[in-house]
Amino acid sequence: KAGVTQTPRYLIKTRGQQVTLSCSPISGHRSVSWYQQTPGQGLQFLFEYFSETQRNKGNFPGRFSGRQFSNSRSEMNVSTLELGDSALYLCASSPPTGRVSMNTEAFFGQGTRLTVV
Amino acid sequence: GESVGLHLPTLSVQEGDNSIINCAYSNSASDYFIWYKQESGKGPQFIIDIRSNMDKRQGQRVTVLLNKTVKHLSLQIAATQPGDSAVYFCAETALSGGYQKVTFGIGTKLQVIP
Repeated sequence: KAGVTQTPRYLIKTRGQQVTLSCSPISGHRSVSWYQQTPGQGLQFLFEYFSETQRNKGNFPGRFSGRQFSNSRSEMNVSTLELGDSALYLCASSPPTGRVSMNTEAFFGQGTRLTVV
Repeated sequence: GESVGLHLPTLSVQEGDNSIINCAYSNSASDYFIWYKQESGKGPQFIIDIRSNMDKRQGQRVTVLLNKTVKHLSLQIAATQPGDSAVYFCAETALSGGYQKVTFGIGTKLQVIP
C-alpha cells in the first residue's frame, strides 16, 4: 500500500507569489491534515479535511487555504508569500475508524520544503 | 491555551544506553497519545501509541509510560542505537466536536554517541 505522497518535494518562490502544494493520502483514508514545521516551532496545525469539508482549522492567516477533492486528495494554497512562510509543509492522513469516538494515528508524507526568497 | 511541551530540547546518549524522552501535556481531555520519530529529510513516523486507559505500553525496544495524574508522557528506548538519532515528538489527541484534534510538542532531538 503506497504511503502519503506530497508533491513537489522542494519549492522556491519569491515574496508575493502564491503556491499550491499537493497531497495524496493513503488509499482508503478520508481525513487529511496539513502542518507547518519550522525550526523551534514544532508542528503547527493548519487545517484538516474530511470528505471534502474543512472540519478543523488552526491559527493561521487567511492567506493559507486548502481543499479536498472527492478522491480525498488535498491541496493547500498560500497566497502573497512572506519570508516567514519558509517551512516544511507536512500532510498526514488518517484511516477511518468506524467509530466517531475512536481516534487514531496519522500517517505523514515526506513533506514539501518551501523556501521563500 | 492547551499545549504540549517537551522538557529537553536535546538529549545525548551513549550507544547501548537507555534513552528517556519526556513530554508534558496540559489538556486533561486528551485520551490518546502518540510518539513520532522524525529523521532528517523525512516526515514523522509513528513509533508507539497509548490510550488513556493504560499507563504503560511496550513495543520493540520502546516503552511509553503515561501518568495522567501529572499529565506526563515518556518514551523509553532500550539499548539506544545510532539509527535512533532523530527528533522525537509527542502528540496528544482529544476528541472535539466528534473528531480528533491533535497537538504536537516542539520535539526532542536525540543524539546517539557511538
